[in-house]
Amino acid sequence: SQQGEEDPQALSIQEGENATMNCSYKTSINNLQWYRQNSGRGLVHLILIRSNEREKHSGRLRVTLDTSKKSSSLLITASRAADTASYFCATATTGGFKTIFGAGTRLFVKA
Amino acid sequence: EAEVAQSPRYKITEKSQAVAFWCDPISGHATLYWYRQILGQGPELLVQFQDESVVDDSQLPKDRFSAERLKGVDSTLKIQPAELGDSAMYLCASSLAVGEETQYFGPGTRLLVL
Repeated sequence: SQQGEEDPQALSIQEGENATMNCSYKTSINNLQWYRQNSGRGLVHLILIRSNEREKHSGRLRVTLDTSKKSSSLLITASRAADTASYFCATATTGGFKTIFGAGTRLFVKA
Repeated sequence: EAEVAQSPRYKITEKSQAVAFWCDPISGHATLYWYRQILGQGPELLVQFQDESVVDDSQLPKDRFSAERLKGVDSTLKIQPAELGDSAMYLCASSLAVGEETQYFGPGTRLLVL
């Protein structure tokens, strides 16, 4: 079962534009993480936001978390062709040991 | 920079054969995870170890899958017998501790069952 659901499933933008991906989840969480996966490779951790945080930045990445709506968004500013990848949100549920991944958003950045 | 190692990177086998995957986590990481990722989907946890103990194997098909981490370091995931539906990417990850910490993934083993 997958706790997180990403939206949209796929996104195609021009280089230089911003890309926004959303993640909704079902149960209370300790933290939410975003990962990137280039085609056929392992996942790379991008950013972690804890349940008591509302916004976090890392370079061109901005993550928001709204625990009342059980949702998060990932914004990539000034996108580059190298940002082409799949992006997954992953939630660590409260009181549990398990991190559950969503189905991902496939981002394609056209040069 | 320390990385999670996995081998083999690719494996082609026929159904009913046995296959095994190996993972060496980042040194000092107590927690090790095996995930299965079907094309177009997110990773699904198969088994999670804390040192040599299994923390969660609720999604591991125990009739054909087995996993071990005997000395609390590297780990092996085995499938016997393999079925067509087992074709997927098998990802290993490790983290410092259970639950909240960032997971570091290896490159994965892509399995094709014919």
